[in-house]
Amino acid sequence: GQNIDQPTEMTATEGAIVQINCTYQTSGFNGLFWYQQHAGEAPTFLSYNVLDGLEEKGRFSSFLSRSKGYSYLLLKELQMKDSASYLCAAADSNYQLIWGAGTKLIIKP
Amino acid sequence: DTAVSQTPKYLVTQMGNDKSIKCEQNLGHDTMYWYKQDSKKFLKIMFSYNNKELIINETVPNRFSPKSPDKAHLNLHINSLELGDSAVYFCASSQDGSFSGANVLTFGAGSRLTVL
Repeated sequence: GQNIDQPTEMTATEGAIVQINCTYQTSGFNGLFWYQQHAGEAPTFLSYNVLDGLEEKGRFSSFLSRSKGYSYLLLKELQMKDSASYLCAAADSNYQLIWGAGTKLIIKP
Repeated sequence: DTAVSQTPKYLVTQMGNDKSIKCEQNLGHDTMYWYKQDSKKFLKIMFSYNNKELIINETVPNRFSPKSPDKAHLNLHINSLELGDSAVYFCASSQDGSFSGANVLTFGAGSRLTVL
């Protein structure tokens, strides 16, 4: 079956760095997305990886290893506003998105 | 200007009732979707419409029916509501349905449905 695994919850300190991991199993693969969802709000797009390697976008970076079925989202210089859920989603061979349950990130002062 | 807007934001109703959630996008996107997010926070696709044609129809109960009068609107109608239908329903749109890097999903703010 198709599956996405990511930690349920993580805690980090303001100003620090945190890495949120995601492993996926899909029938075919057409890319890996990360979305941010603040409580009670809509998910918003953060990043997309389809090739192996690291994509950097400001304080946020996303990494993909296709051979390992693995991705991570790296958040640097954490701010209180980064407290949110981070959703990992993989596109399968039919371009259907398989979603993880999200990782709730709690930032402490 | 809101890109994807859905109404109502909150909906509380009794079991057995029929209700609708409306969605509109002003992005000029070709594809619109309905997602259900349950209490465990999983996002599950329910339907998508591309140029008024249904292109994904997951195994949702036929009590749920999408209606798209034009490509800017995709409404969700639910008949005979059940307790298990309580969830947050998100409307979304994308440039097209291919999910390539350029075709990210833009979500509405969600509609929280509570069935009593």
